[in-house]
Amino acid sequence: AQSVTQPDIHITVSEGASLELRCNYSYGATPYLFWYVQSPGQGLQLLLKYFSGDTLVQGIKGFEAEFKRSQSSFNLRKPSVHWSDAAEYFCAVGAKQAGTALIFGKGTTLSVSS
Amino acid sequence: DTGVSQNPRHKITKRGQNVTFRCDPISEHNRLYWYRQTLGQGPEFLTYFQNEAQLEKSRLLSDRFSAERPKGSFSTLEIQRTEQGDSAMYLCASSLVEGVDGYTFGSGTRLTVV
Repeated sequence: AQSVTQPDIHITVSEGASLELRCNYSYGATPYLFWYVQSPGQGLQLLLKYFSGDTLVQGIKGFEAEFKRSQSSFNLRKPSVHWSDAAEYFCAVGAKQAGTALIFGKGTTLSVSS
Repeated sequence: DTGVSQNPRHKITKRGQNVTFRCDPISEHNRLYWYRQTLGQGPEFLTYFQNEAQLEKSRLLSDRFSAERPKGSFSTLEIQRTEQGDSAMYLCASSLVEGVDGYTFGSGTRLTVV
């Protein structure tokens, strides 16, 4: 079955500390992988995406993610968290075929402590 | 271009009433998607259009739900005889037809059925 697992429901990180959010996927085809961020009451904003090539991808707001095919993982990282990063983060997987829906994980809520 | 626009932002309705939501995609995007997001969950795919053609519907889209995109521009999602279980955030997204390039999401319509 196709699925995305985000093992951590809620993470609290001190401001200035590093962050890693985990994402594991199960997908039959070559996966296209995404991380989105959602602030309360808002839609989703694309942070970064991986289609092919370099397995370390850079995104907006200083985020990066590494695709590890052998581990079926696409973990999101940030070296130094800012209070404004507090939000909900969703990992998603899709395929290149036209019209394929994205499959989302249940999300990880990030809280930032001062 | 102001991105993907959804109206209304919030809707409170009584059980059994019909509701309709509107989505205006990015003008050059020919693909439009509807997702539903319940509390504590990631978005779940409902349906998508390429231009005016509805090409796929999820089994989540019961007979009480209908979506249209009559001129290949804006889309409407109607829920008939609403139930409390329909309470959710309804998200619209748009993209270009060439593959899953990361959708642009709207801010969503929050539906509360009382």
